[in-house]
This record gives sequence, C-alpha cells and structure tokens, in this order.
Amino acid sequence: KAGVTQTPRYLIKTRGQQVTLSCSPISGHRSVSWYQQTPGQGLQFLFEYFSETQRNKGNFPGRFSGRQFSNSRSEMNVSTLELGDSALYLCASSEGTQRNTEAFFGQGTRLTVV
Amino acid sequence: AQTVTQSQPEMSVQEAETVTLSCTYDTSESNYYLFWYKQPPSRQMILVIRQEAYKQQNATENRFSVNFQKAAKSFSLKISDSQLGDTAMYFCAFMKPQGAQKLVFGQGTRLTINP
Repeated sequence: KAGVTQTPRYLIKTRGQQVTLSCSPISGHRSVSWYQQTPGQGLQFLFEYFSETQRNKGNFPGRFSGRQFSNSRSEMNVSTLELGDSALYLCASSEGTQRNTEAFFGQGTRLTVV
Repeated sequence: AQTVTQSQPEMSVQEAETVTLSCTYDTSESNYYLFWYKQPPSRQMILVIRQEAYKQQNATENRFSVNFQKAAKSFSLKISDSQLGDTAMYFCAFMKPQGAQKLVFGQGTRLTINP
C-alpha cells in the first residue's frame, strides 16, 4: 500500500501570494487532516475533511482553507501569504472512524514565505 | 479545551540505556486516546504507541511501553535498550473519541541516543 503523499515537498513564495498544497491519502482512507508545524507554536491542527466535508476546524484565520475531492485527495490553500505562514505543513490520513484512530502522516511540505 | 504538556525539551542517553519521556494532559473527557509519535530528521511522523483511556492495561510495542496514570493525567513513554535509530523528536498527543481526526500535540521532546 502506498503511503501518504504530499506535494510539493518544498515551496518558496512571496508575501501576498497564494499557495495550494496537495495531499493524497492512503487508498481507502476517507479522512485527511492538516497540521501546521513551526518552532514557536509547535504542531497545530488546521482542519479535517471526511468524505468531502469539513468535519473539524482549528483556530486559523479564513486565509487558510481546504477541500477534499471524491477520491479523498485533499488540497489546502493559503491566500495572502504572510511571513508567519512559513512552516512545515503536514497532512494525515486515516479511516476516520472511532474504531480505527491511527493517523498516517506524509513527509510534509516545507513552505517558506519571503 | 484539551492541553498536552511535555516538560522535557531535550534528553540525551547512551545507546542500550532506558529512557523515559514525560507527558501530562488536561481534559474533562472520561474517554479518549493518547499517542506517542516519533518525528526523525526525515520529518515524517510515525506512530510509536497508542493507549485508549478506558483500558487500564498499559500499552506496549516491543521496546516501547507507556505508564498511563489516568487519575494523574500522566502518560509517559519508556524506551528500553535504546538504539541510535531512536534519535528523533517525540510528541505526545491527545484525541477525543469522536471519529473526527483532531490530534492535540505537546511541544515535543528532542531525544538523542549517543553511541
């Protein structure tokens, strides 16, 4: 079984631009969650999608948005980038049920805003 | 809101030694899941061990075991016979059992295993 794939691995963007990150979950998994990892704030939950619906959302401004497609692939979009958005963005894939809680993470997308 | 605290930012031990990483959490929930994740320099988070709060028995996975003290809201990870490959950041995480995948992470402990 292929693991969780995040693309691209690295991105450099300019302040004010927007960016889209992609996450392909493990086959059969319907849940995709996104996390932001920074040295100062640690790992913070952004949002979770399950069967194309946002099921949970963290405390991030509206510039951070996401969506999930019918094949469970998910995209995360950040508009009007700020320097503070520089971070490692991780996505996690899981079955998304109470019976199986294990989350499998991708290798992340390192976003640098200059 | 749930919070997870890891009070040891860094730890260092010699290969083959036993090391214990600490984690405390705060919640009003009676049932929940606790996890330890490992993040090596490759950045990929890997699940080390999982504990369900309603299970009194401490979880074990080979050289990894936990000491789960529900009343004290403590969840420590013990690594026995430590190996060089155990060098990584270790994160303690909490999740409510709602099916929704929302992990609340601690700040992490950087563990170095020295040869």
